Amino acid sequence: GAVVSQHPSWVICKSGTSVKIECRSLDFQATTMFWYRQFPKQSLMLMATSNEGSKATYEQGVEKDKFLINHASLTLSTLTVTSAHPEDSSFYICSAQPPDYSGRADNEQFFGPGTRLTVL
Amino acid sequence: GQSLEQPSEVTAVEGAIVQINCTYQTSGFYGLSWYQQHDGGAPTFLSYNALDGLEETGRFSSFLSRSDSYGYLLLQELQMKDSASYFCAVRDRGYGGSQGNLIFGKGTKLSVKP
Repeated sequence: GAVVSQHPSWVICKSGTSVKIECRSLDFQATTMFWYRQFPKQSLMLMATSNEGSKATYEQGVEKDKFLINHASLTLSTLTVTSAHPEDSSFYICSAQPPDYSGRADNEQFFGPGTRLTVL
Repeated sequence: GQSLEQPSEVTAVEGAIVQINCTYQTSGFYGLSWYQQHDGGAPTFLSYNALDGLEETGRFSSFLSRSDSYGYLLLQELQMKDSASYFCAVRDRGYGGSQGNLIFGKGTKLSVKP
């Protein structure tokens, strides 16, 4: 199956600083990647859809100026949490699909290992 | 609105059979998927049903009834390593009627006891 990596796997930062999380598709090109946030014992909440070469599409209630997304290439999307606060502490997970996903029989989406962000 | 309902927790013993139900209400429907997530890990794909009926993959099976907006994941011969959270997910309708994003249920935490 396709492999998606994330870096870093965890990060601790002070309140007010910015943190960048990278998501890479290692063995396929992804025109679209997805960023999720997951609080403890909660579901995965879609934050935004990252589109290569164009602006990200944010879900309702997600501040685009706070969560900056850049999909600079077909294998890399980055999420920058700007001016992080303790309430931004969460598990951030990216996912991607091979470009022909609409024709796939299994509708599978491949997830990265996640990044645990702790803001002090 | 869109919603997926599944039980929050299930407990079973090794060797048993467990069924995790999922009912959904979405703007569009392009299949029901199931994902497994161990604590601190990434969700991994288990199964997908686009049509009514049962799909079997080893110890895991998944069922879909589109008329009832209902599906379930069946886990047989439970093992300790099956202790994890299980999420059902539906792809909703996107712009222009195309496939949209995966919408996840809140997850069912399965605890397998010796």
